[in-house]
Amino acid sequence: EVQLVESGGDLVQPGGTLRLSCAASGFTFSDYWMVWVRQVPGKGLEWVSRINPAGSFISHAGSVRGRFTVSRDNAGNSLYLQMNSLRAEDTAVYYCARDGPATGVDLDHWGQGTLVTVSS
Amino acid sequence: QSALTQPASMSASPGQRITISCTGSSNDIGRYNFVSWYQQHPGRAPKLIIYGVSTRPSGISDRFSGSKSGNTASLTISGLQAEDEAHYYCSSYITSDSVVFGGGTKVAVL
Repeated sequence: EVQLVESGGDLVQPGGTLRLSCAASGFTFSDYWMVWVRQVPGKGLEWVSRINPAGSFISHAGSVRGRFTVSRDNAGNSLYLQMNSLRAEDTAVYYCARDGPATGVDLDHWGQGTLVTVSS
Repeated sequence: QSALTQPASMSASPGQRITISCTGSSNDIGRYNFVSWYQQHPGRAPKLIIYGVSTRPSGISDRFSGSKSGNTASLTISGLQAEDEAHYYCSSYITSDSVVFGGGTKVAVL
């Protein structure tokens, strides 16, 4: 069974840093693109970052580019999101998701999410 | 990249059919056949219900169907059931480094 478990969400002050983790199991992690998506409570979904299987290609949404960095450890079956210079508008539930085998971006498995709150 | 446009809410009675639209542009929906739809119940993670415009993942009811015409994609739910009450989000692949979601549609079953 595919499982994705996020951790690392917390209350942090503006300008602070946080590192989110996503532990993957039940599939060959190194075969899949992985994605971070966030959702402000009560609002819609926003794509944050995407990384290829080898970790050699990464991309970020304009709203986080230069502040957030996605990475992965295929040996440890883990996905990470390093979040720097956090702002109040980064407050959201952060989901990691697996990008399915079909061409395009189809997020076929999601974690339960981890809440990041940026506030003084 | 602007979000795709969806109606904020829709409602219908059990057994009826409902169609949710998702409007983008020639840079996203109009260019690629890579539209996905997600269902999200309150307090839960989103669930993929359609990908590649019209393909259902294994285990998804055939009451859900997807289509596309020009810059607009659509999700149709047939034989509406109480369990279908949820938020629905469309998304489109743009390039290898970008994905865009719709603002979401809340579906109410009357």
